[in-house]
Amino acid sequence: NAGVTQTPKFQVLKTGQSMTLQCAQDMNHEYMSWYRQDPGMGLRLIHYSVGAGITDQGEVPNGYNVSRSTTEDFPLRLLSAAPSQTSVYFCASSPRGISGSYEQYFGPGTRLTVT
Amino acid sequence: EDQVTQSPEALRLQEGESSSLNCSYTVSGLRGLFWYRQDPGKGPEFLFTLYSAGEEKEKERLKATLTKKESFLHITAPKPEDSATYLCAVQETRRQPFISSGSARQLTFGSGTQLTVLP
Repeated sequence: NAGVTQTPKFQVLKTGQSMTLQCAQDMNHEYMSWYRQDPGMGLRLIHYSVGAGITDQGEVPNGYNVSRSTTEDFPLRLLSAAPSQTSVYFCASSPRGISGSYEQYFGPGTRLTVT
Repeated sequence: EDQVTQSPEALRLQEGESSSLNCSYTVSGLRGLFWYRQDPGKGPEFLFTLYSAGEEKEKERLKATLTKKESFLHITAPKPEDSATYLCAVQETRRQPFISSGSARQLTFGSGTQLTVLP
């Protein structure tokens, strides 16, 4: 298994440009999520999905869109990039469960710079 | 509001010098507490999940413990390859009548402790 994969690894955008960060997992995990990581602030949840066709907002959703058409893929779209979106973005996935807590497995990240 | 605080922010140890990292949390109900390791330029790597006070888990030189207000990650006789940022995260038991399986899995992360082990 490749686990959680993300592309691209690095990206530079100009203010106002749009782009899509790709995330895929091959573990048949139900739950997928996107986080951003900024110095001194920890990882913050942007959006998450509990299955194909179902998405919801996390802590910092503004300026980002997501969709989940398949179990495997969960792309993150930046509609109009702003310098405040300069960050490292991580995708994570977690298996299905009835109760209890479930560890999340993270991808390698995408480092995005908006100028 | 959920809060997760890690201390110290940075820690430098000599090889073989044991120490502990702290993660204090404030949640209305704890579903699980997670420890992750993150190397520079990489995604967090899962280490442990702790569910209830008094629980302990071990992996090589690492041992995680949990009380009702905090968790400790004990590092015994560390080696340079243990150098990394260690992240703590909590998952809360939500009390609302209907909780989606998604919201129940949300993690709140601390800012991490950057550990450097010198040879």
